[in-house]
Amino acid sequence: EAQVTQNPRYLITVTGKKLTVTCSQNMNHEYMSWYRQDPGLGLRQIYYSMNVEVTDKGDVPEGYKVSRKEKRNFPLILESPSPNQTSLYFCASSARLAGDNEQFFGPGTRLTVL
Amino acid sequence: AQKVTQAQTEISVVEKEDVTLDCVYETRDTTYYLFWYKQPPSGELVFLIRRNSFDEQNEISGRYSWNFQKSTSSFNFTITASQVVDSAVYFCALNREKSGGGADGLTFGKGTHLIIQP
Repeated sequence: EAQVTQNPRYLITVTGKKLTVTCSQNMNHEYMSWYRQDPGLGLRQIYYSMNVEVTDKGDVPEGYKVSRKEKRNFPLILESPSPNQTSLYFCASSARLAGDNEQFFGPGTRLTVL
Repeated sequence: AQKVTQAQTEISVVEKEDVTLDCVYETRDTTYYLFWYKQPPSGELVFLIRRNSFDEQNEISGRYSWNFQKSTSSFNFTITASQVVDSAVYFCALNREKSGGGADGLTFGKGTHLIIQP
């Protein structure tokens, strides 16, 4: 089954404790991205990757890192999480980086930083 | 810069009523794509429709229909004979085609929470 998976689905952590949210897709997609969803703000893009070893900042990249060492994986790294990073995070992928491509979203990761 | 505005934060209707969700967008690009996504209470994002800027034909899919009007920069979504299962947050989104190819990613509106009461 074609899908985007994220782990963990739920995470409660404390300020400053490094964490990684994994994202994996099995569709051989070139393009992957991360979004965060906050009440009243909709979804905002954090980082995106056009292919292996190619990443770029989205609208809200501060406090996040990403890497794309393999085509299928695009982990989101929070080196020193803070409470304002409490949010619902979505990973997405599409076949290529073009405006018309449908993005497939993962199930979401709900992160709480205390 | 791109922008998507969904002015209706929350809409509540009684089952079987028709309801229209508004979406207004801003972009300076001539080639762009508009999307609607549904987010049910379970939280996942469900793709509903994609429209490109050169295709202003309205689309109907069952009880769902979309009205794209470039003249008013709007891409509204209507649900006919609403059902309780339509209760969800609905997002309108925009993606552009860069002049050199490629895209930035989706710019989302803030979403409209639709409540269908039995």
